[in-house]
Amino acid sequence: AQTVTQSQPEMSVQEAETVTLSCTYDTSESDYYLFWYKQPPSRQMILVIRQEAYKQQNATENRFSVNFQKAAKSFSLKISDSQLGDAAMYFCAYRSGVETSGSRLTFGEGTQLTVNP
Amino acid sequence: ETGVTQSPTHLIKTRGQQVTLRCSSQSGHNTVSWYQQALGQGPQFIFQYYREEENGRGNFPPRFSGLQFPNYSSELNVNALELDDSALYLCASSPVGTFYNEQFFGPGTRLTVL
Repeated sequence: AQTVTQSQPEMSVQEAETVTLSCTYDTSESDYYLFWYKQPPSRQMILVIRQEAYKQQNATENRFSVNFQKAAKSFSLKISDSQLGDAAMYFCAYRSGVETSGSRLTFGEGTQLTVNP
Repeated sequence: ETGVTQSPTHLIKTRGQQVTLRCSSQSGHNTVSWYQQALGQGPQFIFQYYREEENGRGNFPPRFSGLQFPNYSSELNVNALELDDSALYLCASSPVGTFYNEQFFGPGTRLTVL
């Protein structure tokens, strides 16, 4: 079974600064997808960024980028120019590339990000 | 706004009762998944429905069951409620088409079991 670990329960950053959230995972599969989701107090889970394991290039979405280290099974999220609206719980998630696994996501425990003005 | 809605927003039940939670997906989303998120934890996969049939289940007992309807709505039913069932229940739907199908989450139903 796959596991996802987020070792930072809480992180804080000053507005306009950069912060990195850590995630490690364990799997025996070679084909999979990794995600970062944001869950604000409104509770709605929002996809921030995704990475396909077969792609060596790190994904980037505006101020959000990842550092994907497949051999180390590490998938960190970097948020640049942090904004007050970035404050939320962030979850790292894994999805198998095996088609019979469907859309099942395995989530980490989450990192609560605080942005200080 | 993802177009996925859930009802009710909040619900209070007592131990031993039964509960039905509802989810309405976007048109064309033929896959729906349900997750349980205990306070301070990450969501845990309960099960997934594809074209009205269950096609994947997490480590949850049979008293957790579901239904998916042709109109892109679905239900999560929990029988014989236990105190540990208190959690936020999230549904997520995926569109038809490609194998990589992004999931769109609803805002969840907060269930409290007393």
